[in-house]
Amino acid sequence: DIQMTQSPSSLSASVGDRVTITCRASQSMSTFLNWYQQKPGKAPKVLIYAASSLQSRVPSRFSGSGSGTDFTLTISSLQPEDFATYYCQQSHSPPFTFGPGTRVDMK
Amino acid sequence: QVQLQESGPGLVKASETLSLTCAVSGYSIRSEYYWGWIRQPPGKGLEWIGTISHSGTTYFNPSLESRVTMAVDTSKNQFSLMMRSVTAADTAVYFCARRTVGATIFDYWGQGILVTVSS
Repeated sequence: DIQMTQSPSSLSASVGDRVTITCRASQSMSTFLNWYQQKPGKAPKVLIYAASSLQSRVPSRFSGSGSGTDFTLTISSLQPEDFATYYCQQSHSPPFTFGPGTRVDMK
Repeated sequence: QVQLQESGPGLVKASETLSLTCAVSGYSIRSEYYWGWIRQPPGKGLEWIGTISHSGTTYFNPSLESRVTMAVDTSKNQFSLMMRSVTAADTAVYFCARRTVGATIFDYWGQGILVTVSS
């Protein structure tokens, strides 16, 4: 199985900040990496697929990069509605494992 | 608009079978997508359980494969999950979701249903 790690596990930020979250895979997987946002009590929502492609209707302040084993999710200017937990998910091979999550809260 | 809705008992006794159904609206389950289940223990991360195609082809997480069955009912436009011999470790919010064929994206999700396993 491909194991996923994320850093940091949590971060505090202010509206307008640039936020970067890192995801690392235990083996190389090209760009088979997706990012999700989850708010409390809600289902996850896909933001980025194939490492850098923006899902339809997702604001352009979200962007993704990386390939192989190291990936990054960036929020260029944090908005109030962006306080949430973010998960990466590998789509290279089953089981389709998720990272442990990064919680973004208000400073 | 594609919508998914989970249903089933919110409380299951340990050693018994958990059974959940996901009703799909706004999209035919016969079309070219996969349908899956993901769970989330309270306060923890996400775990992929398995996926089924419209034709019934299944893929399971090896850690759960021995206890899990999935099925599709195209006449009702729904799919189901059965998990046998549950324990307290199976207490979680269970989500159903649509999975794209190419990039393995879970693009539409149900709201989730909390299933508690009681002793």
